[in-house]
Amino acid sequence: DAGVTQSPTHLIKTRGQQVTLRCSPKSGHDTVSWYQQALGQGPQFIFQYYEEEERQRGNFPDRFSGHQFPNYSSELNVNALLLGDSALYLCASRAAEAQAQYNEQFFGPGTRLTVL
Amino acid sequence: AQSVTQPDIHITVSEGASLELRCNYSYGATPYLFWYVQSPGQGLQLLLKYFSGDTLVQGIKGFEAEFKRSQSSFNLRKPSVHWSDAAEYFCAVGARDILTGGGNKLTFGTGTQLKVEL
Repeated sequence: DAGVTQSPTHLIKTRGQQVTLRCSPKSGHDTVSWYQQALGQGPQFIFQYYEEEERQRGNFPDRFSGHQFPNYSSELNVNALLLGDSALYLCASRAAEAQAQYNEQFFGPGTRLTVL
Repeated sequence: AQSVTQPDIHITVSEGASLELRCNYSYGATPYLFWYVQSPGQGLQLLLKYFSGDTLVQGIKGFEAEFKRSQSSFNLRKPSVHWSDAAEYFCAVGARDILTGGGNKLTFGTGTQLKVEL
């Protein structure tokens, strides 16, 4: 059973460019969240997708946008890249459950984005 | 708003010694609390979690954590550290999605870097 997968592993862009990062959730999972982890910091929540809609958003500008596809995979798009966008971008997936139970989020290995 | 504080940025212990990593949280209701470990270049692996019930929770790799509501703390412990435990450790607090019942966003601390001396 494959876990959460992300592509690409590493990416180098220049300021002002646009980037798309991809995430495939763990089998059986339908909810995807994205986190940004700057160097030396803890991950920060960007947004969460469920049923192809953005359900919750963290404190990130509109330059950060996302999409979820019918197969539950997701993309994170960042426009007009800034030097400060350099970070490890983590994707996490979980199953949305009907029962009153908290389901664990599983994290992918991340995409390392460097903005020059 | 929920928040997590990990007061120790770096900790160094000798192999075989005991370990305690501190975590304090701020959350308006009963929190969901987590400890994750991250090795260099890797994603996050869940060590243990607290939802309710017994305040002492056991996790993988011999780790345990104790939830103390009065102190708003959720400290991670291990009786005997192994060299392979060297990594960065993150405490996180999670909210519950009222609509779906599932987990909502996680708020992480800034992490504690653990170094193990042989």
